[in-house]
Amino acid sequence: GNSVTQMEGPVTLSEEAFLTINCTYTATGYPSLFWYVQYPGEGLQLLLKATKADDKGSNKGFEATYRKETTSFHLEKGSVQVSDSAVYFCALSEYQLIWGAGTKLIIKP
Amino acid sequence: DSGVTQTPKHLITATGQRVTLRCSPRSGDLSVYWYQQSLDQGLQFLIQYYNGEERAKGNILERFSAQQFPDLHSELNLSSLELGDSALYFCASSVVGGGSYNEQFFGPGTRLTVL
Repeated sequence: GNSVTQMEGPVTLSEEAFLTINCTYTATGYPSLFWYVQYPGEGLQLLLKATKADDKGSNKGFEATYRKETTSFHLEKGSVQVSDSAVYFCALSEYQLIWGAGTKLIIKP
Repeated sequence: DSGVTQTPKHLITATGQRVTLRCSPRSGDLSVYWYQQSLDQGLQFLIQYYNGEERAKGNILERFSAQQFPDLHSELNLSSLELGDSALYFCASSVVGGGSYNEQFFGPGTRLTVL
């Protein structure tokens, strides 16, 4: 069946560092891919999405490219801030949303 | 603000009790999803309703039940509560019942503490 695998956390970085959070998936068809973010004490918010191969989703300086050849949707940001500290969830939707386990990101000043 | 509302925000109760969590979806959304998030676990999908009917079931215990009403709001009922049921319960809504464009919008959650 469909599944999503994220890199385990926590990921700890210094402010202004480059961020990559890996996400790979397995799917039988052509799913849409999503990154959601959960800030401390809050619900999940959609961060970005991509609906077909080679699409790039972007928002708030974050980017992710839908790579069908490597079945990946890695999240990147060029320069992280303390305010980016949160839990990031990768998900795919072919029929139902399938969630990754979440990656906790800690940014130190 | 996602447009999804959940009440109450916090709930403290005792083991063996029963509670009801309420969710109102975004205007126009027909699907409602319930999730449980414990401290040491990720997001556990519990159940989905679409336009009043159960559409999908996840890891929902038999002690838990849900329903979606004609006005599309949903309630999650948790009974015979145990300490391990302490968690954040999220509701999400979407326009569609599933498919590739199944973008979900989350409410702020209800924090349940069972003492």
